[in-house]
Amino acid sequence: GIQVEQSPPDLILQEGANSTLRCNFSDSVNNLQWFHQNPWGQLINLFYIPSGTKQNGRLSATTVATERYSLLYISSSQTTDSGVYFCAVEPNAGGTSYGKLTFGQGTILTVHP
Amino acid sequence: DTGVSQDPRHKITKRGQNVTFRCDPISEHNRLYWYRQTLGQGPEFLTYFQNEAQLEKSRLLSDRFSAERPKGSFSTLEIQRTEQGDSAMYLCASSRGYGTEAFFGQGTRLTVV
Repeated sequence: GIQVEQSPPDLILQEGANSTLRCNFSDSVNNLQWFHQNPWGQLINLFYIPSGTKQNGRLSATTVATERYSLLYISSSQTTDSGVYFCAVEPNAGGTSYGKLTFGQGTILTVHP
Repeated sequence: DTGVSQDPRHKITKRGQNVTFRCDPISEHNRLYWYRQTLGQGPEFLTYFQNEAQLEKSRLLSDRFSAERPKGSFSTLEIQRTEQGDSAMYLCASSRGYGTEAFFGQGTRLTVV
C-alpha cells in the first residue's frame, strides 16, 4: 500500500517560533489531509489539500503533488498548538490502499511558554 | 451539521466479554470508516462502508470483529471475546465519497482488563 512518512517525529519550540512539518508519500493521491489530535484523542481537521496552497490564520499548508510531499507551516506558535499532527492520504483510483486514508506516524509538537 | 458522533466515549471491559460501539456519521455522508489507534501510532484502517455495503476490511480485522451499517445510516463495530491487545482508541469517520474530506468523531477508548 501507499507509504506516508512524516518528519520530524518530535519538535520542541518556544512560544512565538515558527515551524515546518513535512509529509512524504509514495504514490499519487487525490486526497491529502492534515489533522491535529487534541489531548482527548479527537482528530481536528486542519486542511484538505490534495494540491496547492491554503492558509488559515497562523497555519498554512502546501502540497506539491507531482513531487509527492506536503508541508504544514505553523507561525508564531502558541502553547495551544501542542499535540500530535498527522498527515493522511488517499491514493488515486486504481492505486493500492485506494478508497481510504492512510496515516503517517505523526509529529509530536511541544510548545513551551 | 452536528459532526460525527461516537458512543460510548470510554469502555472498560473484562477480557473475554463482547463490546459494541456505535458511530453516527454526518447525515449526508455516504462513506463511513473505522480506524484503530494505539499509543504512539497513527490511526490504522479497519474497514469502510459505501452506504450499507462494506467495501473493504483490513487484515487487522480478525474474525472476532464485525461491523455493520444497516440502511446506510449509523454503524456498529462489535468485538467478541475481547483480548488485552484490543485495548485502543477506535475512531469513526465519514465523508461524501471518494477523494472528499473526511471528518472524525471523538473516538471510543477501549480498555480490556
